[in-house]
Amino acid sequence: GAGVSQSPSNKVTEKGKDVELRCDPISGHTALYWYRQSLGQGLEFLIYFQGNSAPDKSGLPSDRFSAERTGGSVSTLTIQRTQQEDSAVYLCASSLAGGKNQPQHFGDGTRLSIL
Amino acid sequence: QKEVEQNSGPLSVPEGAIASLNCTYSDRGSQSFFWYRQYSGKSPELIMFIYSNGDKEDGRFTAQLNKASQYVSLLIRDSQPSDSATYLCAVNPGSSNTGKLIFGQGTTLQVKP
Repeated sequence: GAGVSQSPSNKVTEKGKDVELRCDPISGHTALYWYRQSLGQGLEFLIYFQGNSAPDKSGLPSDRFSAERTGGSVSTLTIQRTQQEDSAVYLCASSLAGGKNQPQHFGDGTRLSIL
Repeated sequence: QKEVEQNSGPLSVPEGAIASLNCTYSDRGSQSFFWYRQYSGKSPELIMFIYSNGDKEDGRFTAQLNKASQYVSLLIRDSQPSDSATYLCAVNPGSSNTGKLIFGQGTTLQVKP
Protein backbone atom coordinates (compact mmCIF):
# COMPACT_ATOMS: atom_id res chain seq x y z
CA GLY A 1 0.00 0.00 0.00
CA ALA A 2 0.94 3.64 -0.22
CA GLY A 3 1.20 4.26 3.51
CA VAL A 4 1.76 2.50 6.81
CA SER A 5 -1.16 0.21 7.54
CA GLN A 6 -2.19 -0.80 11.06
CA SER A 7 -4.83 -3.19 12.27
CA PRO A 8 -7.15 -3.33 14.03
CA SER A 9 -8.03 0.36 14.12
CA ASN A 10 -9.80 -0.15 17.43
CA LYS A 11 -9.52 -2.88 20.02
CA VAL A 12 -11.50 -3.23 23.23
CA THR A 13 -10.56 -6.04 25.54
CA GLU A 14 -10.85 -7.09 29.14
CA LYS A 15 -8.08 -6.68 31.65
CA GLY A 16 -5.85 -9.73 31.72
CA LYS A 17 -6.35 -10.70 28.07
CA ASP A 18 -3.56 -10.75 25.51
CA VAL A 19 -3.69 -8.53 22.42
CA GLU A 20 -1.83 -8.44 19.13
CA LEU A 21 -1.43 -5.31 17.08
CA ARG A 22 -0.23 -5.41 13.50
CA CYS A 23 1.78 -2.99 11.38
CA ASP A 24 2.52 -3.18 7.67
CA PRO A 25 5.14 -0.56 6.78
CA ILE A 26 5.55 1.38 3.57
CA SER A 27 6.92 -0.94 0.88
CA GLY A 28 10.71 -0.80 0.78
CA HIS A 29 11.10 0.78 4.21
CA THR A 30 13.64 -1.17 6.21
CA ALA A 31 13.14 0.59 9.54
CA LEU A 32 10.02 0.22 11.65
CA TYR A 33 9.14 1.89 14.94
CA TRP A 34 6.40 1.42 17.50
CA TYR A 35 5.23 4.31 19.66
CA ARG A 36 2.28 4.81 21.94
CA GLN A 37 0.33 7.93 22.68
CA SER A 38 -1.70 8.33 25.84
CA LEU A 39 -3.27 11.29 27.60
CA GLY A 40 -0.78 13.00 29.81
CA GLN A 41 2.17 10.99 28.49
CA GLY A 42 2.44 12.23 24.97
CA LEU A 43 4.02 10.15 22.27
CA GLU A 44 6.53 7.59 23.61
CA PHE A 45 8.99 5.40 21.75
CA LEU A 46 8.62 1.66 22.36
CA ILE A 47 10.83 -0.34 20.00
CA TYR A 48 12.81 -0.04 16.77
CA PHE A 49 13.34 -2.69 14.09
CA GLN A 50 15.99 -2.69 11.41
CA GLY A 51 15.05 -5.54 9.13
CA ASN A 52 13.93 -8.35 11.40
CA SER A 53 16.13 -7.48 14.35
CA ALA A 54 15.33 -5.07 17.17
CA PRO A 55 18.49 -3.24 18.23
CA ASP A 56 16.56 -0.84 20.47
CA LYS A 57 13.85 -2.15 22.78
CA SER A 58 14.52 0.46 25.43
CA GLY A 59 10.99 1.90 25.40
CA LEU A 60 9.07 -1.28 26.15
CA PRO A 61 7.47 -0.55 29.53
CA SER A 62 7.47 -4.09 30.93
CA ASP A 63 8.13 -7.70 30.01
CA ARG A 64 4.43 -8.03 29.15
CA PHE A 65 5.26 -6.18 25.93
CA SER A 66 7.01 -7.88 23.05
CA ALA A 67 7.28 -7.39 19.32
CA GLU A 68 8.56 -9.19 16.30
CA ARG A 69 9.03 -8.50 12.65
CA THR A 70 9.12 -11.10 9.93
CA GLY A 71 10.31 -10.98 6.33
CA GLY A 72 11.60 -7.47 6.91
CA SER A 73 8.04 -6.26 6.58
CA VAL A 74 5.05 -6.85 8.86
CA SER A 75 5.48 -6.35 12.59
CA THR A 76 3.33 -7.52 15.49
CA LEU A 77 3.26 -5.89 18.91
CA THR A 78 1.94 -8.23 21.60
CA ILE A 79 0.77 -7.17 25.03
CA GLN A 80 0.21 -10.01 27.49
CA ARG A 81 -2.05 -9.85 30.52
CA THR A 82 -3.26 -6.37 29.64
CA GLN A 83 -3.72 -3.76 32.33
CA GLN A 84 -5.85 -0.63 32.29
CA GLU A 85 -2.75 1.55 32.06
CA ASP A 86 -2.04 -0.08 28.68
CA SER A 87 -4.97 1.84 27.21
CA ALA A 88 -3.51 4.15 24.56
CA VAL A 89 -3.16 4.66 20.84
CA TYR A 90 -0.38 2.46 19.50
CA LEU A 91 1.30 4.00 16.50
CA CYS A 92 3.63 2.39 14.02
CA ALA A 93 6.02 4.36 11.83
CA SER A 94 8.44 3.39 9.11
CA SER A 95 11.38 5.02 7.39
CA LEU A 96 13.41 4.19 4.32
CA ALA A 97 16.50 3.42 6.38
CA GLY A 98 17.20 3.06 10.04
CA GLY A 99 19.82 5.63 10.86
CA LYS A 100 19.53 9.18 11.98
CA ASN A 101 18.15 11.86 9.69
CA GLN A 102 15.45 9.55 8.34
CA PRO A 103 11.91 10.94 8.30
CA GLN A 104 9.36 8.59 9.79
CA HIS A 105 5.84 8.21 8.47
CA PHE A 106 3.07 7.09 10.78
CA GLY A 107 0.14 4.78 10.34
CA ASP A 108 -3.34 5.63 11.61
CA GLY A 109 -2.76 3.74 14.85
CA THR A 110 -4.65 1.19 16.91
CA ARG A 111 -6.77 2.61 19.70
CA LEU A 112 -6.58 0.09 22.54
CA SER A 113 -9.06 0.22 25.39
CA ILE A 114 -8.72 -2.07 28.38
CA LEU A 115 -11.90 -2.52 30.39
CA GLN B 1 14.00 18.86 32.73
CA LYS B 2 12.06 17.23 29.91
CA GLU B 3 14.09 16.11 26.93
CA VAL B 4 11.89 18.03 24.48
CA GLU B 5 9.78 20.95 25.66
CA GLN B 6 6.98 22.79 23.96
CA ASN B 7 4.45 25.28 25.21
CA SER B 8 1.14 23.42 25.21
CA GLY B 9 -0.81 26.52 24.20
CA PRO B 10 -3.31 27.03 22.83
CA LEU B 11 -1.66 29.49 20.52
CA SER B 12 -4.36 31.55 18.87
CA VAL B 13 -3.66 33.58 15.73
CA PRO B 14 -5.95 35.30 13.24
CA GLU B 15 -6.26 33.96 9.72
CA GLY B 16 -3.48 35.27 7.51
CA ALA B 17 -1.04 35.88 10.38
CA ILE B 18 2.27 34.17 11.06
CA ALA B 19 2.16 31.42 13.67
CA SER B 20 5.40 30.77 15.54
CA LEU B 21 5.83 27.47 17.33
CA ASN B 22 8.83 26.84 19.53
CA CYS B 23 10.66 23.83 20.90
CA THR B 24 13.70 23.37 23.10
CA TYR B 25 15.67 20.19 23.69
CA SER B 26 18.13 19.07 26.32
CA ASP B 27 20.48 16.67 24.47
CA ARG B 28 23.17 18.88 22.93
CA GLY B 29 24.25 16.02 20.68
CA SER B 30 20.89 15.84 18.91
CA GLN B 31 21.25 15.93 15.15
CA SER B 32 17.86 15.78 13.49
CA PHE B 33 14.61 17.55 14.21
CA PHE B 34 11.13 16.97 12.93
CA TRP B 35 7.81 18.77 13.02
CA TYR B 36 4.62 16.76 12.86
CA ARG B 37 1.05 18.02 12.62
CA GLN B 38 -1.68 16.06 14.36
CA TYR B 39 -5.35 16.74 13.87
CA SER B 40 -7.67 15.64 16.65
CA GLY B 41 -8.23 11.89 16.49
CA LYS B 42 -5.70 11.43 13.71
CA SER B 43 -2.11 10.23 13.54
CA PRO B 44 0.92 12.54 13.26
CA GLU B 45 1.75 13.80 9.77
CA LEU B 46 5.30 14.84 8.92
CA ILE B 47 5.48 18.43 7.70
CA MET B 48 9.12 19.48 8.06
CA PHE B 49 12.52 18.20 9.06
CA ILE B 50 15.79 20.03 9.56
CA TYR B 51 19.32 18.87 10.28
CA SER B 52 21.52 21.95 9.86
CA ASN B 53 21.62 25.28 11.65
CA GLY B 54 19.62 27.98 9.96
CA ASP B 55 16.34 28.11 8.13
CA LYS B 56 14.61 25.61 5.86
CA GLU B 57 11.59 26.70 3.89
CA ASP B 58 8.86 24.58 2.31
CA GLY B 59 5.87 26.48 1.01
CA ARG B 60 4.22 28.34 3.88
CA PHE B 61 6.36 26.53 6.45
CA THR B 62 9.81 27.51 7.69
CA ALA B 63 11.79 25.49 10.20
CA GLN B 64 14.55 27.24 12.11
CA LEU B 65 17.32 25.47 14.00
CA ASN B 66 19.82 26.91 16.45
CA LYS B 67 21.93 24.11 17.91
CA ALA B 68 23.94 26.44 20.13
CA SER B 69 20.74 27.52 21.88
CA GLN B 70 19.17 24.03 21.56
CA TYR B 71 16.14 25.58 19.98
CA VAL B 72 14.04 24.69 16.96
CA SER B 73 11.00 26.54 15.71
CA LEU B 74 8.32 26.30 13.06
CA LEU B 75 6.85 29.34 11.36
CA ILE B 76 3.59 29.08 9.45
CA ARG B 77 2.95 32.03 7.15
CA ASP B 78 -0.51 33.07 5.98
CA SER B 79 -2.11 30.81 8.60
CA GLN B 80 -5.36 29.17 7.57
CA PRO B 81 -8.15 27.70 9.72
CA SER B 82 -7.14 24.31 8.29
CA ASP B 83 -3.78 24.74 10.05
CA SER B 84 -5.57 24.41 13.40
CA ALA B 85 -4.04 21.30 14.94
CA THR B 86 -1.48 20.14 17.48
CA TYR B 87 2.12 20.53 16.33
CA LEU B 88 4.59 18.02 17.68
CA CYS B 89 8.31 18.66 17.84
CA ALA B 90 10.41 15.50 17.65
CA VAL B 91 14.13 15.13 18.22
CA ASN B 92 16.50 12.31 17.43
CA PRO B 93 18.72 12.34 20.52
CA GLY B 94 22.48 12.25 20.25
CA SER B 95 22.52 9.51 22.88
CA SER B 96 20.84 7.15 20.42
CA ASN B 97 22.51 5.61 17.38
CA THR B 98 19.13 4.79 15.88
CA GLY B 99 16.41 6.94 14.45
CA LYS B 100 14.22 6.82 17.53
CA LEU B 101 12.40 10.07 18.22
CA ILE B 102 11.66 11.86 21.44
CA PHE B 103 8.51 13.97 21.19
CA GLY B 104 7.43 17.09 22.95
CA GLN B 105 3.92 17.33 24.37
CA GLY B 106 2.79 19.40 21.41
CA THR B 107 1.47 22.92 20.92
CA THR B 108 -2.16 23.40 20.01
CA LEU B 109 -2.61 26.02 17.31
CA GLN B 110 -5.95 27.73 16.71
CA VAL B 111 -6.34 29.85 13.60
CA LYS B 112 -9.42 32.03 13.85
CA PRO B 113 -11.24 33.11 10.67
